[in-house]
Amino acid sequence: EVQLVESGGLVVQPGGSLRLSCAASGFTFDTYTMHWVRQAPGKALEWVSLISWDGDNTYYTDSVKGRFSISRDNRKKSLYLQMNNLRSDDSALYFCSRGDGSTLMDVWGRGTTVIVSS
Amino acid sequence: VVLTQSPVSLPVTLGQPASISCRSSQSLVDSDGNTYLSWFHQRPGQPPRRLIHDVSSRDSGVPVRFSGGGSGTDFTLEISRVEAEDVGLYFCMQATHWPPLTFGGGTKVEIK
Repeated sequence: EVQLVESGGLVVQPGGSLRLSCAASGFTFDTYTMHWVRQAPGKALEWVSLISWDGDNTYYTDSVKGRFSISRDNRKKSLYLQMNNLRSDDSALYFCSRGDGSTLMDVWGRGTTVIVSS
Repeated sequence: VVLTQSPVSLPVTLGQPASISCRSSQSLVDSDGNTYLSWFHQRPGQPPRRLIHDVSSRDSGVPVRFSGGGSGTDFTLEISRVEAEDVGLYFCMQATHWPPLTFGGGTKVEIK
C-alpha cells in the first residue's frame, strides 16, 4: 500500500525551530518529487515547498524562504522540513505529498500539526 | 497565479447536480500544450484526495459522477448526482505557473 506518514508536529514558541518528517512506503520513493502543503484551521490549502527526486532542486513559497529548508534521504525513504524562526502564521496542519505531472499530489499523508504560540 | 473558486458555500439536494467554478488570473495552458489543473476533495478530519488531474482526467476509483472541464482560465468540477459522501471541501490547484503551486480558496459542499 502506498503510504505517507508525517510526524514531528508540536507546540513551539515564536522564533523557535521544528523538524517535520514524512516516511514513505509502498512506492519507489527515490523517483518522485515530494511536496509539503499546509492548511491553517478552517483555511485553504497552501503549497509550502517541493524537492526533486534527487534532492538537487528545491523550491519554496515566498513566506517561508530563508526560514524553512526541505530535504530528503532516499535511503531512508524520508522527507523532511526544517522550520526555523517560526511565526504564529506558520501554525497549520502540514501534509506531505508526492509527484509531478500526472502523479502530482495523487497521494497524501494524514498530516502533522504545528502550533506556534507563546 | 490566483485561483478564485465559486461559490464559497454550496448547499445541494441529494441526487441533484452540483457545479463548482475555478477561475484563474491567467491562462493555465503550459508551453507544452498541457493544462495542469487538478481538483481535490477533503472530508472533515481527512487529508485531501485528488479527484481530477489535467482538467478532466478522473483518478482511479473516483466515481464517474465526478467530471472536470474547462480551458484557459475557466474550469468547472461537476457532480452529476450528489451523494451524502460528497460533502466537504473542494479545491482546485494549478501547476502550470510555478513556483508557487497555488490552490483555490475552496468550496464547501453540504446537504440541504
